[in-house]
Amino acid sequence: GQNIDQPTEMTATEGAIVQINCTYQTSGFNGLFWYQQHAGEAPTFLSYNVLDGLEEKGRFSSFLSRSKGYSYLLLKELQMKDSASYLCAPEGTSGGYQKVTFGTGTKLQVIP
Amino acid sequence: EAGVAQSPRYKIIEKRQSVAFWCNPISGHATLYWYQQILGQGPKLLIQFQNNGVVDDSQLPKDRFSAERLKGVDSTLKIQPAKLEDSAVYLCASSLKEGTGELFFGEGSRLTVL
Repeated sequence: GQNIDQPTEMTATEGAIVQINCTYQTSGFNGLFWYQQHAGEAPTFLSYNVLDGLEEKGRFSSFLSRSKGYSYLLLKELQMKDSASYLCAPEGTSGGYQKVTFGTGTKLQVIP
Repeated sequence: EAGVAQSPRYKIIEKRQSVAFWCNPISGHATLYWYQQILGQGPKLLIQFQNNGVVDDSQLPKDRFSAERLKGVDSTLKIQPAKLEDSAVYLCASSLKEGTGELFFGEGSRLTVL
């Protein structure tokens, strides 16, 4: 089964750092995606974590703890364009096939 | 490289009417997904194809929704008859292979049922 929990909304100031947490319970867990979705647009890929630890990619970093069923997305030096929804999406194996399930998303508002 | 193509972008119908959405995935991508995204929620998987076979349709309301992927390339999602609660964006995505593969999304088809 799948159970994904992430905050509904967050607000942060331009130039600051924000951390978006996600906890999950996923059968046959393989890895975890983070996607960004601007209003009215399709989701776009940000990161994929398979191993425990932090992976950094420019201003965005993603952390995974497989044993705790926990991940976070860290956004540094926030810009106004970072205002979007951030979707936590664990990937698990179900019926012999990999399946990606999305959380409800965290709507981030960046303010001046 | 061309992205995932979807049509139509927007569709308005009355309840009990039918509608069809089309998706052409990225060339060579074996796995194709249809997601339903209701306003304010995350995408919900409706059906997943591996080549032209269905690997997961557990959340597809089969009394009214159907999907096919002929020849393992493009796909059609149909709703008949539509209900008010079907108002949503229907997202098609593809990945090169199942598992450990980034999903590439199309722009979506926004359905409004009146």
